[in-house]
Amino acid sequence: EVQLVESGGGLVQPGGSLKLSCAASGFTFSGSAMHWVRQASGKGLEWLGRVRNKPNNYATAYAASVKGRFTISRDDSKTTAYLQMNSLKAEDTAVYFCSSSQDGYSFEYWGPGTLVTVSS
Amino acid sequence: QSALTQPPSASGSPGQSVTISCTGTSSDVGGYNYVSWYQKHPGKAPKRMIYEVSKRPSGVPDRFSGSKSGNTASLTVSGLQAEDEADYYCTSYAGSTFWVFGGGTKLTVL
Repeated sequence: EVQLVESGGGLVQPGGSLKLSCAASGFTFSGSAMHWVRQASGKGLEWLGRVRNKPNNYATAYAASVKGRFTISRDDSKTTAYLQMNSLKAEDTAVYFCSSSQDGYSFEYWGPGTLVTVSS
Repeated sequence: QSALTQPPSASGSPGQSVTISCTGTSSDVGGYNYVSWYQKHPGKAPKRMIYEVSKRPSGVPDRFSGSKSGNTASLTVSGLQAEDEADYYCTSYAGSTFWVFGGGTKLTVL
């Protein structure tokens, strides 16, 4: 059974940092790209970025809204992807989802999400 | 990158068909056959329903179908069932390693 489970969410002050984890199982993690997507309350889904697999040199890409503040990485030995978030703003408050992609262009499996609240 | 345009709501009675549109530009929807659709129930993880415009993942009922014409993609749900009531999001690869989502459509089964 495929499972993606995000963790690390919580309350953080504006300007602070947080690192989310996405633990994966049940599929070939090393063969997949991993994406992060978020959803603010009452809003739609927003793509944040992705990290490709080793054959593709772990290449990363980011949405303009988070480029320079967020960093995506992965540890294939732990089948875990990460989202390091720095310089957090109130508008970063959202549920954060990780998703896997084996076909390269769609989001096949998703985790249940973890809530990040940026507030003083 | 601007979000893709979806109608905020759609509805239909059980057994009917409903189509949700997703309009982008030649830089995303019109430029690539990488449109996918996701079903999201409140508090749950999104579920992929359609990928590469019209392909259905294993386990997704054939009541769900996708198509594309020019810069507009569509998701059709035939034989509506109560459990189809959810939010639906389209997304498209937009080149230069970017993806863009639609704003979402709330599907109500009357």
